[in-house]
Amino acid sequence: GENVEQHPSTLSVQEGDSAVIKCTYSDSASNYFPWYKQELGKRPQLIIDIRSNVGEKKDQRIAVTLNKTAKHFSLHITETQPEDSAVYFCAASSERQLTFGSGTQLTVLP
Amino acid sequence: NAGVTQTPKFQVLKTGQSMTLQCAQDMNHNSMYWYRQDPGMGLRLIYYSASEGTTDKGEVPNGYNVSRLNKREFSLRLESAAPSQTSVYFCASAVTGGGGGYTFGSGTRLTVV
Repeated sequence: GENVEQHPSTLSVQEGDSAVIKCTYSDSASNYFPWYKQELGKRPQLIIDIRSNVGEKKDQRIAVTLNKTAKHFSLHITETQPEDSAVYFCAASSERQLTFGSGTQLTVLP
Repeated sequence: NAGVTQTPKFQVLKTGQSMTLQCAQDMNHNSMYWYRQDPGMGLRLIYYSASEGTTDKGEVPNGYNVSRLNKREFSLRLESAAPSQTSVYFCASAVTGGGGGYTFGSGTRLTVV
């Protein structure tokens, strides 16, 4: 089955700086790569996703890049704000289910 | 529009007790999922139902059973709870299996003592 590895497990940045979280996947058949944000005590919520026929996607301050050849994808957050502090999960899927990475605790320091 | 509704939100069980976690979605989604979340381990799939009438094991199915009661409802049962099942459980649904975003319920925090 699919295996998704996520790094780093914790990340602290100064407010206004950029944050980058990286994931690798194992199944070359995976074609859908979402990112979820989970605030403390809340449910995971989809923030951005990318499909395998696209190399990059942006939505305001967040962007995701995908390198199918290397089987890795990354989340980029620019101009970080305190409200960006949360746990972020990457995921990968082929046909039937999502496999999640282990999560990154992002802390934005004021 | 409620989305995905899970009950209960909190539960404490004694070892050996049984319970059923309920999940219902009102988005006409075909696929439904049960995940558990433990510190440092992300979200691990317990069971899923790709469509009404089908269920399949995920990564960590031992100690659990599921029922896809109809298109809206997907329940998770612990027959004989163990302390290792202390976790936060999330139900999720999606239009189809892997090709679209999941919508999660608000979670059930289960403690087994």
